[in-house]
Amino acid sequence: AQTVTQSQPEMSVQEAETVTLSCTYDTSESDYYLFWYKQPPSRQMILVIRQEAYKQQNATENRFSVNFQKAAKSFSLKISDSQLGDAAMYFCAYKSGNAGNMLTFGGGTRLMVKP
Amino acid sequence: KAGVTQTPRYLIKTRGQQVTLSCSPISGHRSVSWYQQTPGQGLQFLFEYFSETQRNKGNFPGRFSGRQFSNSRSEMNVSTLELGDSALYLCASSFGGSGNYGYTFGSGTRLTVV
Repeated sequence: AQTVTQSQPEMSVQEAETVTLSCTYDTSESDYYLFWYKQPPSRQMILVIRQEAYKQQNATENRFSVNFQKAAKSFSLKISDSQLGDAAMYFCAYKSGNAGNMLTFGGGTRLMVKP
Repeated sequence: KAGVTQTPRYLIKTRGQQVTLSCSPISGHRSVSWYQQTPGQGLQFLFEYFSETQRNKGNFPGRFSGRQFSNSRSEMNVSTLELGDSALYLCASSFGGSGNYGYTFGSGTRLTVV
């Protein structure tokens, strides 16, 4: 079974600075998808960014980018120019490309943004 | 376009009772998944429905069940509630059947069992 590990339970960053959240996963599959979700106090999980395993190019969405290291099974999220609204729980998630439509989540990282 | 709607937002039930939670996916989304979120276990997959058929099921006891209607709305039911069932229950929908482009989540139903 696949596992997803987020080794940083909490992180803090100064407003306007850059922060990187770590995620590692374990799988024997070659076809899969990785996601970062944000969960603010409103509880709704919001998709931040998505990466396809067969694409070597790192995904980017505005201030959010990933560093996808397939051989190392690492998928970190970089947030540039951090804003107060970025404060939330961040979850890394794995989805198999051909074995079930379900997400396997990491334990989450609580990001605090200091003004 | 309306998002994923879950009702009710909050629910308090007594041990031994049963509960039904509702989820209306984004219009046009045919896949609906359910997740349980607790401080101890994190986010765990419950089940996934597509075109009224359960395609995948997580490792939960038979007390947890669900269904999907022809309009893609979904319900999940928990019978004989236990204190450990207290959790945030999240519903997610996706347009295609694969979910490879990600899922849109609702704001969840907070269930408290006393």
